[in-house]
Amino acid sequence: GIQVEQSPPDLILQEGANSTLRCNFSDSVNNLQWFHQNPWGQLINLFYIPSGTKQNGRLSATTVATERYSLLYISSSQTTDSGVYFCAVGAGGTSYGKLTFGQGTILTVHP
Amino acid sequence: GAVVSQHPSWVICKSGTSVKIECRSLDFQATTMFWYRQFPKQSLMLMATSNEGSKATYEQGVEKDKFLINHASLTLSTLTVTSAHPEDSSFYICSASLRSNQPQHFGDGTRLSIL
Repeated sequence: GIQVEQSPPDLILQEGANSTLRCNFSDSVNNLQWFHQNPWGQLINLFYIPSGTKQNGRLSATTVATERYSLLYISSSQTTDSGVYFCAVGAGGTSYGKLTFGQGTILTVHP
Repeated sequence: GAVVSQHPSWVICKSGTSVKIECRSLDFQATTMFWYRQFPKQSLMLMATSNEGSKATYEQGVEKDKFLINHASLTLSTLTVTSAHPEDSSFYICSASLRSNQPQHFGDGTRLSIL
């Protein structure tokens, strides 16, 4: 099946700093989503971005499908950005709809 | 739109009990829903695909007799953990999407603790 690799595994920032999280995947995808998992376990859907670039406030994401990677940018980080960020991808065919998750990036933002 | 509701959010029960978790699509119909499991400090792993009106499809290594899935309507899928044991303690979360080319929306998850 498809492999998903996220980097870095851990990231510690001072409030106000910018960061880039990366997601590499091993095959063509028809779905790519970025999530923020809060301390209660809820998955907050940040972006649905199988290709192209999107922005939402301080967050933006870019997926280069032909090169099989996606980037999540966080600017002017805040303590509330802390948590685990997951990239999840979906392939087509018989796997349609299923998501394969990366191992996540644990982000800690200090005041 | 595209809200997925999961219930209960937290269950604590004794070993040997069967536990049912519900996943509902509140404002759309979902012919397919997905069930994931997450152990502490790990990522989410797909357990099974729930298909309305037919049998669920289980991922390799997931016991279908242990984790019973029923998708009796276009808005409800249930996961029953039968004769639960402490090793079944985990975070269970479901997802569904409005259409095949739309993002997956997740419920808030169910934290299951078996004593």
